[in-house]
Amino acid sequence: KAGVTQTPRYLIKTRGQQVTLSCSPISGHRSVSWYQQTPGQGLQFLFEYFSETQRNKGNFPGRFSGRQFSNSRSEMNVSTLELGDSALYLCASTKTKVGTAYTEAFFGQGTRLTVV
Amino acid sequence: KNEVEQSPQNLTAQEGEFITINCSYSVGISALHWLQQHPGGGIVSLFMLSSGKKKHGRLIATINIQEKHSSLHITASHPRDSAVYICAATPLSGGGADGLTFGKGTHLIIQP
Repeated sequence: KAGVTQTPRYLIKTRGQQVTLSCSPISGHRSVSWYQQTPGQGLQFLFEYFSETQRNKGNFPGRFSGRQFSNSRSEMNVSTLELGDSALYLCASTKTKVGTAYTEAFFGQGTRLTVV
Repeated sequence: KNEVEQSPQNLTAQEGEFITINCSYSVGISALHWLQQHPGGGIVSLFMLSSGKKKHGRLIATINIQEKHSSLHITASHPRDSAVYICAATPLSGGGADGLTFGKGTHLIIQP
C-alpha cells in the first residue's frame, strides 16, 4: 500500500507570506501528526489530527494551524512566515492498536520550507 | 515533561564494526520508536517497542522499562547504514501534547 505522501517536497517563501502544506496518510489511517525539524531544536511535535479534529497540540504559536478532511488528508498552514520557520516539516500517519496505547508512526518524506 | 536523551551525538566507525546507540527517557512511556533519517530528510520507522527486544536483519533494538533506557544495535555495519538515528518516545496518555518526543539524533558514519 502507498506510504505517506507530502506535497510539495520543497518550497521557498518570503517573510510575511503564508504557506499551506499537504499530507496524505496511509489508506485506512485516521490520525495524522505534524512535526517541525530544525538544526537547532531537532524534531518537535506540532499537532495531531484524528477524524477531522485536532486532538493534541504542541508548543507553537497560533500562526501554525492545521486541519484534516473527511478522507484523512491533512493540511498545515503557517501564516506571516518568519525566517525561523525555515525547517523540514514532517507528517506522520499513525495508527493505535485497539485497546492499547501502542501507536505506530509512518513518516512522509517531508516538505523543506525555506523562508527568505 | 518527557526528556529524551541520546548518545553518542556523532559516531564514526569502520565497516563491519558493531554499533550501539543509546536512548534514555525521563517519564513513563507507552512505546519507544527508533527512526532512521537519510540525507534528504525522509524518515523511516525502524522499530517500535514497548518491552524486550526486536530484531530486523542486522538491526536489534532493546528496551528496559524499569531503567527507562533503550539501545539500537547494528551488527556488521555497512556504509549504507550511514544516517541519523533518532529515538522517539510516545508518552503515556495523561493530558498535554501527546505527540512523540524526540531525541536529538545520532549521526552515524560508517567508513569503508
